[in-house]
Amino acid sequence: DAGITQSPRHKVTETGTPVTLRCHQTENHRYMYWYRQDPGHGLRLIHYSYGVKDTDKGEVSDGYSVSRSKTEDFLLTLESATSSQTSVYFCAISESEGLITDTQYFGPGTRLTVL
Amino acid sequence: AQSVTQLDSQVPVFEEAPVELRCNYSSSVSVYLFWYVQYPNQGLQLLLKYLSGSTLVKGINGFEAEFNKSQTSFHLRKPSVHISDTAEYFCAVSDLSTGGFKTIFGAGTRLFVKA
Repeated sequence: DAGITQSPRHKVTETGTPVTLRCHQTENHRYMYWYRQDPGHGLRLIHYSYGVKDTDKGEVSDGYSVSRSKTEDFLLTLESATSSQTSVYFCAISESEGLITDTQYFGPGTRLTVL
Repeated sequence: AQSVTQLDSQVPVFEEAPVELRCNYSSSVSVYLFWYVQYPNQGLQLLLKYLSGSTLVKGINGFEAEFNKSQTSFHLRKPSVHISDTAEYFCAVSDLSTGGFKTIFGAGTRLFVKA
């Protein structure tokens, strides 16, 4: 299995509080991703990173920010959590096959509940 | 923009019966296609992928998929399913129209294998 860990694995927080989720990899892969998984929507990309300090938005980035100061760590921050951000969050890593992303390897997920 | 449609949200099937999970994507010149599987309370893992070459792709656990460029489809099949195949299956596409480094996922198909 690819070496990807996520912390925390479960979190309950209150509306309006900031929350930071961490993804850590030991594979030295260049690309890292944050997705959220909700019933009926599959996985939706929040943000991704293509290198240290290089990040870009995905399709559902509003209310989220990310940082990548080291190759192995990719942080997702909910600036002011809302109930609509209750979800399961997955981190993934990948290398590219030329100009297109190849296989992604997923972490175990973080279940976040915003009350 | 690229989109992925999984035509069935749920597929119930009896053990040892054949199954087909359908996936269609938007037209694009060059695509990489993936099927991922998610067992309960786990992250996604790769089942199989098409990058180039033979249009019939074989994956793990006896699954296979066929890339049909003219119909923009990548349907997943297994000739005889087991109880342990009960899981959620996601079709995914990477291509240059989405920036190359983003992968678009379908909404998922829940496969229920009954004894």
